[in-house]
Amino acid sequence: DSGVTQTPKHLITATGQRVTLRCSPRSGDLSVYWYQQSLDQGLQFLIQYYNGEERAKGNILERFSAQQFPDLHSELNLSSLELGDSALYFCASSVGGQVNTGELFFGEGSRLTVL
Amino acid sequence: DAKTTQPTSMDCAEGRAANLPCNHSTISGNEYVYWYRQIHSQGPQYIIHGLKNNETNEMASLIITEDRKSSTLILPHATLRDTAVYYCIVRWLMDSNYQLIWGAGTKLIIKP
Repeated sequence: DSGVTQTPKHLITATGQRVTLRCSPRSGDLSVYWYQQSLDQGLQFLIQYYNGEERAKGNILERFSAQQFPDLHSELNLSSLELGDSALYFCASSVGGQVNTGELFFGEGSRLTVL
Repeated sequence: DAKTTQPTSMDCAEGRAANLPCNHSTISGNEYVYWYRQIHSQGPQYIIHGLKNNETNEMASLIITEDRKSSTLILPHATLRDTAVYYCIVRWLMDSNYQLIWGAGTKLIIKP
């Protein structure tokens, strides 16, 4: 158990819809990272928040947005969903704002299926 | 846009050492090499990281060549539970902040 909690574990929705994925980081971790993993692919970095502020952006579509709340949990909002958005979405957390030690703690992921 | 190159898949017999190679020829002098693994579709798990010197922890050993262009992750006594996709990763500067750039990894299958 990494200590990172993601909900929901599974989500099935239709094209054009909007969903929200939630992540609670490990206790004491200030950074939250969001990754997308399509079938049999590596992880694609989407965005990082540190202590409520956006720290870095990766390959995140304009239809996607995220935020980190004062209690440090984070939400990833996916809108105008397309079939290609079907993927595993992982949240990870770390203590600091930089990937210095390299040790990110990952949740178990949210599997999104768009029909 | 992965910065590392790994074999797509490898087999290893249970109880033997599993040696997973990785090429990172464009790595800069102050960049670490990280290894993670992902069992089935679970969240990735950190294994080890290193800069220049060889590193060892309770899970694995990391051997980095002197020119730092390649490295090898060693699982000394592989078990069936070590069957997973292993990712060799380097950091990449993005928005003045380092991020881990993931490739496709090596699918390691441990056989009885």
